[in-house]
Amino acid sequence: DQQVKQNSPSLSVQEGRISILNCDYTNSMFDYFLWYKKYPAEGPTFLISISSIKDKNEDGRFTVFLNKSAKHLSLHIVPSQPGDSAVYFCAADTNAGKSTFGDGTTLTVKP
Amino acid sequence: NAGVTQTPKFQVLKTGQSMTLQCAQDMNHEYMSWYRQDPGMGLRLIHYSVGAGITDQGEVPNGYNVSRSTTEDFPLRLLSAAPSQTSVYFCASSPGTSRFLFFGPGTRLTVL
Repeated sequence: DQQVKQNSPSLSVQEGRISILNCDYTNSMFDYFLWYKKYPAEGPTFLISISSIKDKNEDGRFTVFLNKSAKHLSLHIVPSQPGDSAVYFCAADTNAGKSTFGDGTTLTVKP
Repeated sequence: NAGVTQTPKFQVLKTGQSMTLQCAQDMNHEYMSWYRQDPGMGLRLIHYSVGAGITDQGEVPNGYNVSRSTTEDFPLRLLSAAPSQTSVYFCASSPGTSRFLFFGPGTRLTVL
């Protein structure tokens, strides 16, 4: 049973528009949620996170929203840039260093 | 700081061979972990360590061993390689005060 799901394998948006990546989870014990970005042939890099006591966290062009009742989080990128093209992984954890990852969404931002 | 380093970058093994994937970090992080990523899938936790001398199993530990004799190093040993272990392996570390992971560049392993 996959505890963290990213139902969209891919997303294509035009440069300057908003990108919205979605993630659902099933385990109510998750208390911290993270997004990682991964370029080909590199390791994932941390992008942004949110604690379960918050419903929104913003960092520049990136905003993560958490809806605990729906067990759903989303990553908004505004405005999207071609350099944002990458695989985005949603992750959740209950203990530091022991995250559970979704399968990833490949974002393509077209110039 | 070099961050998290992994060697080798690429490796081809024959079924039944054993080998060790190396991982080191120079950030004095308490937590270290190993993940594997199969095509089209997310990262799955193999083993993790919360400090020197302490290791525990993750989601997919079978066929792998780990040890943590120092804070810096966390090698992953494949005991008898199988084609199902063909994957990209990522080592990661995290300080005790943080919830996010620093990843290494990965090792691409092919088992024939």
